[in-house]
Amino acid sequence: GEDVEQSLFLSVREGDSSVINCTYTDSSSTYLYWYKQEPGAGLQLLTYIFSNMDMKQDQRLTVLLNKKDKHLSLRIADTQTGDSAIYFCAETRAGKSTFGDGTTLTVKP
Amino acid sequence: KAGVTQTPRYLIKTRGQQVTLSCSPISGHRSVSWYQQTPGQGLQFLFEYFSETQRNKGNFPGRFSGRQFSNSRSEMNVSTLELGDSALYLCASSPPPNPGSTTKNIQYFGAGTRLSVL
Repeated sequence: GEDVEQSLFLSVREGDSSVINCTYTDSSSTYLYWYKQEPGAGLQLLTYIFSNMDMKQDQRLTVLLNKKDKHLSLRIADTQTGDSAIYFCAETRAGKSTFGDGTTLTVKP
Repeated sequence: KAGVTQTPRYLIKTRGQQVTLSCSPISGHRSVSWYQQTPGQGLQFLFEYFSETQRNKGNFPGRFSGRQFSNSRSEMNVSTLELGDSALYLCASSPPPNPGSTTKNIQYFGAGTRLSVL
């Protein structure tokens, strides 16, 4: 079956690094994604990683994938107040995405 | 290139009514998927359309239906609205399959339609 799990809340201080974790169960997933949702808005694609990779870096964002443990993480370096939002990890197969419940990131000044 | 456009942004209906939501995908995208987002259930997949055909369907009652037109624009319809249908409805489009492409499964989301059922 398909299931994606995330911790619900994370609070960090401005300038620190944030690490958001996610586990998934569908081992056949080829693509794994991180989305950001701000209040009242849709989902903004932040980054994605293919299952044949174990790391991807994109400016302040670093995605780590442990395929053996089906664990995905998103690290945000130098976290800013504008990074406060809900972050969703997702796996997609055949036009259908399965999302975690989202991690609410709060950045304190 | 314009993003995914959903209309209307906000909608208020009463129980028993029906509603139609519209989604215009990114130009050139032929796959359109719909999701329902609620505080209690999170993001749940409704259905996916590709070239006017429903390719995949989630676990929603038959009151939820959709269609896709030849220009890839999609509509979803909810009949006999219930209070529990109050949600943010999100539409996403994906680029067409392209051999060797690494972007074919990426979904780009619209801002959503917030439906309130009173």
